[in-house]
Amino acid sequence: EAGVTQFPSHSVIEKGQTVTLRCDPISGHDNLYWYRRVMGKEIKFLLHFVKESKQDESGMPNNRFLAERTGGTYSTLKVQPAELEDSGVYFCASSRLDIGTDTQYFGPGTRLTVL
Amino acid sequence: GDSVTQMEGPVTLSEEAFLTINCTYTATGYPSLFWYVQYPGEGLQLLLKATKADDKGSNKGFEATYRKETTSFHLEKGSVQVSDSAVYFCALTTANYGQNFVFGPGTRLSVLP
Repeated sequence: EAGVTQFPSHSVIEKGQTVTLRCDPISGHDNLYWYRRVMGKEIKFLLHFVKESKQDESGMPNNRFLAERTGGTYSTLKVQPAELEDSGVYFCASSRLDIGTDTQYFGPGTRLTVL
Repeated sequence: GDSVTQMEGPVTLSEEAFLTINCTYTATGYPSLFWYVQYPGEGLQLLLKATKADDKGSNKGFEATYRKETTSFHLEKGSVQVSDSAVYFCALTTANYGQNFVFGPGTRLSVLP
């Protein structure tokens, strides 16, 4: 079974540019989460999809961040325009609906550097 | 709000040494507690978990006991190996957050041969 994949693995952009991160969850996983780790600090929750619907987006820092999950499969996280403080590692995780919270499977992350 | 505190790293040990990584938490509800591990170039993997007080989670020689009285969930291993070199994250989840995790900052462990 393929794990959660994320693309790209690294992205370096300039302030003001746009970047789109992609996450492909494990097939059949209806729950999809985005987290990020900024400056080596704790990993923080961004948002949670159940299928194509946003279940909880309370962790989204501001309206420069837009997450989508059209069709309930892969998800994208767009940052527009990017700011210096957006640099960090963005993790995606997925889980099945019928299993509890301890079975979130994480991707390797996308390291974003904003110059 | 809920939070998790971990000992600052990095931690450098020799092979076969004893490992302890401290983790304490603050939670308004009754949390479930977890340790996740991130090996170089890989995603976060669930290492072990405990869902109620005095439960002990264990996996791959690692152990952690849910201590409600001290709000702690310290990670221990009796004899570390070079392959244990990774970043370790303590985390919790409560009903307040639905299915989402609250993570600590992570502790980088380096094991030298």
